[in-house]
Amino acid sequence: DADVTQTPRNRITKTGKRIMLECSQTKGHDRMYWYRQDPGLGLRLIYYSFDVKDINKGEISDGYSVSRQAQAKFSLSLESAIPNQTALYFCATSDQGSSQETQYFGPGTRLLVL
Amino acid sequence: AQSVTQLGSHVSVSEGALVLLRCNYSSSVPPYLFWYVQYPNQGLQLLLKYTTGATLVKGINGFEAEFKKSETSFHLTKPSAHMSDAAEYFCAVSDHSATNKLIFGTGTLLAVQP
Repeated sequence: DADVTQTPRNRITKTGKRIMLECSQTKGHDRMYWYRQDPGLGLRLIYYSFDVKDINKGEISDGYSVSRQAQAKFSLSLESAIPNQTALYFCATSDQGSSQETQYFGPGTRLLVL
Repeated sequence: AQSVTQLGSHVSVSEGALVLLRCNYSSSVPPYLFWYVQYPNQGLQLLLKYTTGATLVKGINGFEAEFKKSETSFHLTKPSAHMSDAAEYFCAVSDHSATNKLIFGTGTLLAVQP
C-alpha cells in the first residue's frame, strides 16, 4: 500500500463550489504539506503543518484553507472554487523537520474548475 | 532567499545517449539540493539529494549529480538514457530553515527517442 494517499485522484467541479481534497499518510511523519503544480511553474507551497496544532501558510494560500484532523490526515479545502485553481495538487510528508529531510509525495489530485 | 533555475523545459535524447539536465541555484547559505522525478500520472519521487560531504551524489536508476559551488550548479546526468527515463524532472533547494520548505524549479520534461 502507498505511504501517502490522496483522494480523489480526479475531480471536476463548478465555479463557486466548495471542495475538499484529502491526504492520508502511514509514514508516521509529523510534517505535512500541500502543493499545487501548474505547467511551466513547478510546484508551489500552499500550506504546511508541523503537527496537529500547527498550521502555516505557504506562498500561495489565498483561496485555500486546511485542516489537520490527526497526525496522519491533512485536508485542503477550496471554499469557493474558481477556474484559476485548476491544477494538479500534491500532498507531501517529511519527518523531523530538518531541512535535509526528504519529502514524500502522494500521487496527486487533478482538479478542474469549470 | 533561495531560488532554482532549470534551463530547458523540454529535453529530447536518443536511447543510449547521455542525459544532462541543468539546474542552477541561488542561496545565501550552503544549499541542500534535491532532484525529484515525476513519471506520468504519478507523484514526485526523490532521485538524489546533496546535503554535505561528497559533491558527486549518486541516486536511483543510474542518475547522478555534482554539486559545484563555484558554478552554483547541480546538474543531473545519466550516461545512457533508457526509454523508462522519460519523465519530468524537478530540481529543488531547501529553504534551509527548520520548516523544511522546498523551492522547486519549473521542471524539465525529458523525452527519450528510440
